[in-house]
Amino acid sequence: GAGVSQSPSNKVTEKGKDVELRCDPISGHTALYWYRQSLGQGLEFLIYFQGNSAPDKSGLPSDRFSAERTGGSVSTLTIQRTQQEDSAVYLCASSGVAGGSYEQYFGPGTRLTVT
Amino acid sequence: KNQVEQSPQSLIILEGKNCTLQCNYTVSPFSNLRWYKQDTGRGPVSLTIMTFSENTKSNGRYTATLDADTKQSSLHITASQLSDSASYICVVSENTGGFKTIFGAGTRLFVKA
Repeated sequence: GAGVSQSPSNKVTEKGKDVELRCDPISGHTALYWYRQSLGQGLEFLIYFQGNSAPDKSGLPSDRFSAERTGGSVSTLTIQRTQQEDSAVYLCASSGVAGGSYEQYFGPGTRLTVT
Repeated sequence: KNQVEQSPQSLIILEGKNCTLQCNYTVSPFSNLRWYKQDTGRGPVSLTIMTFSENTKSNGRYTATLDADTKQSSLHITASQLSDSASYICVVSENTGGFKTIFGAGTRLFVKA
C-alpha cells in the first residue's frame, strides 16, 4: 500500500522567499507530524495534528513557520521569509492513533536549501 | 529536561561483524522506546518498539534491549551486512496522555566489505 509521500523531494530557494512543503499521510491515519532534521542532528519536533483537535504547535521555531491540515488528510508546512538556518530535511510522519504509543510512518522528506 | 543520548556518534565495522549501539534517556514518565533505521535520503523506518515491561525484542538480525531502571537501551546487530549502513535512531515517548516523542541524534553506522 501507499506510504507517506512528500513533495517536493528537493527545494532550493533564495533567502527571504516563502516555501510550501506538502505531506500526504497514509490513508486513514488520524495523526500527522512534522519534524526537521538538520545535518548531523536528531529529529526536531515541529507540529502535530490529531483529527479535528487543535494542533500542537509547541515545536515551531518561530512565527515564520505555520502548518495546515486540510480535511484531516493532506498537510502543508509553510515557511515564510526563509533564512539560511532553515536549511534542513523536513520529515512528515503519520500514525493510526493519537499519541506516542503507536508507530509513526515517515515520508522520504523534503530537503530544503536556502541560499 | 527530557533527553535521549546515543553513542557512539559513528561507527565503522567490517561486514560480518557484530556491533552494539547505545541509548541513554532521561524521559519521564516513560511510555515506550523505539529504534529506527534511517537510510541516507530516506525517512526513518521502525525496527523495534519496547514498553516498560519488555527487556528484549528481536527483529531478524537486530536485537534491542531495555533496562527501564537504568534508563538504558541497546541495539545489537548480528552478522552485519553492507545494507546495514545507515543511521540508527533511538526514540523515547513520554506517557503523559498526550504526544511527546524525543529523538536521539542517531548513530551513523558504516559497514565495510
